[in-house]
Amino acid sequence: AQKVTQAQTEISVVEKEDVTLDCVYETRDTTYYLFWYKQPPSGELVFLIRRNSFDEQNEISGRYSWNFQKSTSSFNFTITASQVVDSAVYFCALSEAPRVASGTYKYIFGTGTRLKVLA
Amino acid sequence: EAGVAQSPRYKIIEKRQSVAFWCNPISGHATLYWYQQILGQGPKLLIQFQNNGVVDDSQLPKDRFSAERLKGVDSTLKIQPAKLEDSAVYLCASSWRRGAVSYEQYFGPGTRLTVT
Repeated sequence: AQKVTQAQTEISVVEKEDVTLDCVYETRDTTYYLFWYKQPPSGELVFLIRRNSFDEQNEISGRYSWNFQKSTSSFNFTITASQVVDSAVYFCALSEAPRVASGTYKYIFGTGTRLKVLA
Repeated sequence: EAGVAQSPRYKIIEKRQSVAFWCNPISGHATLYWYQQILGQGPKLLIQFQNNGVVDDSQLPKDRFSAERLKGVDSTLKIQPAKLEDSAVYLCASSWRRGAVSYEQYFGPGTRLTVT
């Protein structure tokens, strides 16, 4: 069965510190996708990144970077030089390929990590 | 490009009453999802549509919840009768469907339901 674990319930950092949010996943599929979403206090989930299981290259987007390691089933997210606006709940999600050709991908979300960036 | 629209944004009802939520996905998105998010938890999938057909409703409490997506566009989610434990934010999301690729979901602002 597929599972996503975000062991860090809440993290507090001071502005300009770097912070890493952990995500560990379980799946028996060889084809799957991993995602990160941000949920600010306003409540609307915002897509950050998608990664497929065949692409282990790390990705950097501004202050955000992602480290995908299949050997440890992890897809960690690092924010460099954190800012107050980064305060939000961050969710990691996994989707596996459909079991039948007509099926669609089923998403499983982790429980989220609340990040508080203090000024 | 317009995002996912949901209404109402907030709803307060008494237990045993009924309630309905509406969602309009991003134009062209074939896949539509309804999630329930209880405070402090991650979104839990209730039902997933591909065009106007249901592809996954395994976690939908079918004795009280129902959903439809007529004409493969708008969708409504209904609860009847509501229970106290249904208090949550109900999120609608949509995504592309193209071949064997899982695309990211785009979420609406959600409907915060309080059952008293």
